[in-house]
Amino acid sequence: GENVEQHPSTLSVQEGDSAVIKCTYSDSASNYFPWYKQELGKRPQLIIDIRSNVGEKKDQRIAVTLNKTAKHFSLHITETQPEDSAVYFCAAEGGSSASKIIFGSGTRLSIRP
Amino acid sequence: NAGVMQNPRHLVRRRGQEARLRCSPMKGHSHVYWYRQLPEEGLKFMVYLQKENIIDESGMPKERFSAEFPKEGPSILRIQQVVRGDSAAYFCASSETGGAGDSYTFGSGTRLTVV
Repeated sequence: GENVEQHPSTLSVQEGDSAVIKCTYSDSASNYFPWYKQELGKRPQLIIDIRSNVGEKKDQRIAVTLNKTAKHFSLHITETQPEDSAVYFCAAEGGSSASKIIFGSGTRLSIRP
Repeated sequence: NAGVMQNPRHLVRRRGQEARLRCSPMKGHSHVYWYRQLPEEGLKFMVYLQKENIIDESGMPKERFSAEFPKEGPSILRIQQVVRGDSAAYFCASSETGGAGDSYTFGSGTRLTVV
């Protein structure tokens, strides 16, 4: 089945700097890659997703890139703000895991003022 | 649209008791997924259900855990004879079509504490 690896597990950046979180997946047939943000004690919320027919997608300060050949995808947050502090999860779906989303282990992002 | 509703938000059970967690999907969604999140860890898939059917239960422990999604009413995750290791946050998510690429909406979770 699908396996998703996520790095780093913790990340601290200065407010205003950029943050990058990287993930790899194992099932080459996976074709949908969402990213979720989870604030302390709250539900995971979808912030952006990308499908395998595109290589990059951007939404204001957030962008995702996908390299299907290498089976890795990344989340980029620019001009970080205090409210970006949270745990971020990458995920993959499709292929043999079709019908369920498999999550990475999460990255705890802290924004230093 | 009330979103995905889970109850109770917090549940305390003594070892050996039963825990029942309920999830009502978003209006118009007929696909439900249950995930478990241990403290400081990620979301682990447990089970995927459609109305009256279990589609994929590959992540659910074989013993003590069961799930259902009846024709009427919410989806239920049931844990019998709870142990300390069952303490976790249990999240339910729903989707509209269940197809690949269909995004999930999560509920607020049920935090189970076994004492």
